Amino acid sequence: KAGVTQTPRYLIKTRGQQVTLSCSPISGHRSVSWYQQTPGQGLQFLFEYFSETQRNKGNFPGRFSGRQFSNSRSEMNVSTLELGDSALYLCASGRRDIQETQYFGPGTRLLVL
Amino acid sequence: DAKTTQPPSMDCAEGRAANLPCNHSTISGNEYVYWYRQIHSQGPQYIIHGLKNNETNEMASLIITEDRKSSTLILPHATLRDTAVYYCIVRGASNNAGNMLTFGGGTRLMVKP
Repeated sequence: KAGVTQTPRYLIKTRGQQVTLSCSPISGHRSVSWYQQTPGQGLQFLFEYFSETQRNKGNFPGRFSGRQFSNSRSEMNVSTLELGDSALYLCASGRRDIQETQYFGPGTRLLVL
Repeated sequence: DAKTTQPPSMDCAEGRAANLPCNHSTISGNEYVYWYRQIHSQGPQYIIHGLKNNETNEMASLIITEDRKSSTLILPHATLRDTAVYYCIVRGASNNAGNMLTFGGGTRLMVKP
């Protein structure tokens, strides 16, 4: 079974631009979560989607948004990029059961100049 | 979700067992213990999880104390490829409130030849 895929793998943007990252979950998984990893803050939860609905959100500004499509694929968008948004953005997918285990993709490394 | 405490770093000789401890003294009855690892710049990899019984899979064993206040992840024969940051996470069972994973600092395991 194919794993979680994320595109693009690497991205360079400049301050003020916006960016859209994509995540395709494991087949059959309906939950998608996004995380940001930086050297200073570690791995931090951004938001989670299930059946096209956001069901959990971390403590990030409104510049960070996401959505999920009917095929469970998800996108996250960051508007008005800041230097501090440079990070590894990770997506995780899971089934919806009592012991939902989440499986992570390889991440998208974003560099904001 | 309960908070976890892990040593920041550990060394292990190649071929020997690596025993990674985790304290979760405030764990509640329906919370699971999950272990993930992250090899440099890759997405976190699921290793194992458990509720109260010891668990074993092809990657590792998880030993949870009877009072569930601590656990140990055991890699029976560590190899150089096991060098990574290991995260112990305590999380409640899946429900409509979502499945956010809260990552701490983890333990940086260095396997040495």
